[in-house]
Amino acid sequence: DQQVKQNSPSLSVQEGRISILNCDYTNSMFDYFLWYKKYPAEGPTFLISISSIKDKNEDGRFTVFLNKSAKHLSLHIVPSQPGDSAVYFCAASALGTSYGKLTFGQGTILTVHP
Amino acid sequence: DGGITQSPKYLFRKEGQNVTLSCEQNLNHDAMYWYRQDPGQGLRLIYYSQIVNDFQKGDIAEGYSVSREKKESFPLTVTSAQKNPTAFYLCASRSGQGANYGYTFGSGTRLTVV
Repeated sequence: DQQVKQNSPSLSVQEGRISILNCDYTNSMFDYFLWYKKYPAEGPTFLISISSIKDKNEDGRFTVFLNKSAKHLSLHIVPSQPGDSAVYFCAASALGTSYGKLTFGQGTILTVHP
Repeated sequence: DGGITQSPKYLFRKEGQNVTLSCEQNLNHDAMYWYRQDPGQGLRLIYYSQIVNDFQKGDIAEGYSVSREKKESFPLTVTSAQKNPTAFYLCASRSGQGANYGYTFGSGTRLTVV
């Protein structure tokens, strides 16, 4: 049972354009969502998070949008840079019940072309 | 500098052998976690520990064992009962504070069965 899904295995964009990575979830108990960037053979690097009481959170070039009714979140990267090329994971947690457990999506490989 | 150290970076195991992956943190975090990453899949939770001398099974605990005798250490043993142990293993700890939900990940161990 995949509770967090990233249905696009890969995404390719041109440098300077917008990258939009999508994530869907099924568990209505999830109330905190995070995005991580990961390079091969390294640990994930935290990018940005959002609580379910918000619908948008912005940090520099990164913006996360949350649509609770659709159980959907997205990460926007503007402008995209070649250094953004990596695997991006969304993750979700039910803060009050899960002992901090994160449930991850399958990941999306982002490639930003110069 | 505080952080999580996983060792070794690469590990080779013969079929039928047990092997132990090390995870040490000096962040004074109570909670620690082990995740496994396979190609095309997200990180899946193996075991987690909220406090010393206590740990719980995650989603894919079969064939694995852990101990938590010290706050700083959370070693993972991959036993011969694990049918498909070749994967990338990530250890994490959590403070519960901050936008990242306090998560810190190690740099991972690549285990290969030969």
